[in-house]
Amino acid sequence: KAGVTQTPRYLIKTRGQQVTLSCSPISGHRSVSWYQQTPGQGLQFLFEYFSETQRNKGNFPGRFSGRQFSNSRSEMNVSTLELGDSALYLCASSLEGTRPTDTQYFGPGTRLTVL
Amino acid sequence: ILNVEQSPQSLHVQEGDSTNFTCSFPSSNFYALHWYRWETAKSPEALFVMTLNGDEKKKGRISATLNTKEGYSYLYIKGSQPEDSATYLCGRTGTASKLTFGTGTRLQVTL
Repeated sequence: KAGVTQTPRYLIKTRGQQVTLSCSPISGHRSVSWYQQTPGQGLQFLFEYFSETQRNKGNFPGRFSGRQFSNSRSEMNVSTLELGDSALYLCASSLEGTRPTDTQYFGPGTRLTVL
Repeated sequence: ILNVEQSPQSLHVQEGDSTNFTCSFPSSNFYALHWYRWETAKSPEALFVMTLNGDEKKKGRISATLNTKEGYSYLYIKGSQPEDSATYLCGRTGTASKLTFGTGTRLQVTL
């Protein structure tokens, strides 16, 4: 079974621009979560999508948004980029994601650099 | 404890050494504790999911214990090998399935 894939793997943008990152979950997985990792910080939860609906949301400004398609693929969008948005963005998928014990399977991440 | 905390931040051991690190977490509204291994340039890989107080899990040379009453988990690596070099993350789930992670322990194993 193919793992979680993320595209692109690397991205360079300038302040003020917007960016869209893509995540394809493991086949059959319906829950997709997004995380941000910056130096010195743990993985910070952004949001989770299930059946095309946002089910959970972290403490990030409204510039961060996402969506999920009917095939469970998900995209994350960041508008009006700031220097502090430079980070590794990881997505993770799980079967249903409804139980706290559900394992999340991570992709390799997209490294975003904002200049 | 308000957040998930991991210690030490980094660790450097010789091949063959046994080592352990700690994950501390809020014990209220606790549901599960997840351990991941994250090698450089790869995806985080799930190691264990633990729920019950006193739980102990083992995978090869790696094992973990859980104390939900006092809010901590230990990860042990017996006879460390260079391929064990990675960042080890713990994450806690509460009432929702959302994972709250610590900042990780970076392990370096040298020959």
